[in-house]
Amino acid sequence: DIQMTQSPSSLSASVGDRVTITCRASQSIRTYLNWYQQKPGKAPKLLIYAASSLQSGVPSRFSGSGSGTDFTLTISSLQPEDFATYYCQQSHSTLYTFGQGTKLEIK
Amino acid sequence: EVQLVQSGAEVKKPGESLKISCKGSGYSFTSYWIGWVRQMPGKGLEWMGIIYPGDSDTRYSPSFQGQVTISADKSISTAYLQWSSLKASDTAMYYCARHRQGGGDCYEIDYWGQGTLVTVSS
Repeated sequence: DIQMTQSPSSLSASVGDRVTITCRASQSIRTYLNWYQQKPGKAPKLLIYAASSLQSGVPSRFSGSGSGTDFTLTISSLQPEDFATYYCQQSHSTLYTFGQGTKLEIK
Repeated sequence: EVQLVQSGAEVKKPGESLKISCKGSGYSFTSYWIGWVRQMPGKGLEWMGIIYPGDSDTRYSPSFQGQVTISADKSISTAYLQWSSLKASDTAMYYCARHRQGGGDCYEIDYWGQGTLVTVSS
């Protein structure tokens, strides 16, 4: 199985901050990497697919980059509604594993 | 409008069987992989497996192979997740999820059901 490791596991930041979350794959997954946001009590929401493509309707302050084994999700200027848990997911192999999640909290 | 509507919350005893459902609407049900994702209380997302309703091709995560069965009835646009003998450790929220091939060979989950909470307790 391909293992996905996110860092940090939790992060405190303020409104307006620039935030970066990292996801590392245990082997190359080319650009088969997706990012999701989940708020408490809600289903996850797709933010970024294929490493850097912005899902329709998602604000442009979200961006993704990377290829191979190392990927990043960047939020350029945090808004109050962005405080949530973020997950990466690989789709290189048929077993589409998630990272363990990064909880983004208000400082 | 694409919708995935899941069956309601369940409370079961250890050893009992269970089948939960996910009905798709607003799209061609047979043209997209649909899968299941587990979220245990206070924990992260775990991808369980997927099925292609068009031909019933099914793939499982090794962690869930043999523990659950994924199936689909394309005549009623419904996918299922079932257990033959529940354990307390199966207590979790279960989401069904439509997988889209959006960027080349990359698949992503573009629509999610609302979740079905399964509680297993004696």
